[in-house]
Amino acid sequence: DAKTTQPTSMDCAEGRAANLPCNHSTISGNEYVYWYRQIHSQGPQYIIHGLKNNETNEMASLIITEDRKSSTLILPHATLRDTAVYYCIVFAGGDSSYKLIFGSGTRLLVRP
Amino acid sequence: GAVVSQHPSRVICKSGTSVKIECRSLDFQATTMFWYRQFPKQSLMLMATSNEGSKATYEQGVEKDKFLINHASLTLSTLTVTSAHPEDSSFYICSARDQSPRELFFGEGSRLTVL
Repeated sequence: DAKTTQPTSMDCAEGRAANLPCNHSTISGNEYVYWYRQIHSQGPQYIIHGLKNNETNEMASLIITEDRKSSTLILPHATLRDTAVYYCIVFAGGDSSYKLIFGSGTRLLVRP
Repeated sequence: GAVVSQHPSRVICKSGTSVKIECRSLDFQATTMFWYRQFPKQSLMLMATSNEGSKATYEQGVEKDKFLINHASLTLSTLTVTSAHPEDSSFYICSARDQSPRELFFGEGSRLTVL
C-alpha cells in the first residue's frame, strides 16, 4: 500500500503559486520524501526531494513539517505546462529490498 | 543529470507473441530497478523489483512466468511480456536507483498494444 495520501485534484490560476499537500504520517526516519510529476503518456519527471529540511531548486520548493508527517510542494509561479499529475512518494533507497509504491497522486490543472 | 532510457517507446504486436522492453541507465550503475505498469487515468502499479545479479521480486498478482525480468548488468534490465494478449496492453515504465541511495530516475515509458 502507498504510504502517502494526496488530494485527488487541484487547480490554480496561471502565474499564481500552486501548493500541493501530501500526508505521510507513517514515514520512517530513513525515508526521504520525493516529488515527481507525470505529463500524459510520459515517464515521471523528478521535481525535488528532502529528508527533513526544506528544499528549493529551480523547479519548486519542498516544505516538510517538523514532525515529517506531511509536506507541501510549492510551484511558485505556475504555468500551463505545469498541468500534470503530481506524485508524492516516500523512499528509503539504502534498503535494496525497499518497494517504491505510488499513490494516486494529485491532478493539477493550471487555468489560463 | 542521470538518464534512464527505455526502448522501444511504442510497440504493437499480435496476440501470442512475446515482446521485450529494455531499460538502460545511461550514466550511472543501477543496483535496483523497478518495473511498473500503468493503465489510462490510473497511477503506476509496481510489478516487480529487480536487483542486479539476483532474481526479481514480483508483487502479488503479477505472474512471473508471464512477465520475465532480467537484470543481468548494472546498466540494463529487461522486461519480456510472454505470449502477450490484448489485456497486457498498457504503459510500462521502469525506474532505476543509483548506488547513491537518494538518486532515483524514471524511464520515458513503453506503450504496448497487443492486437
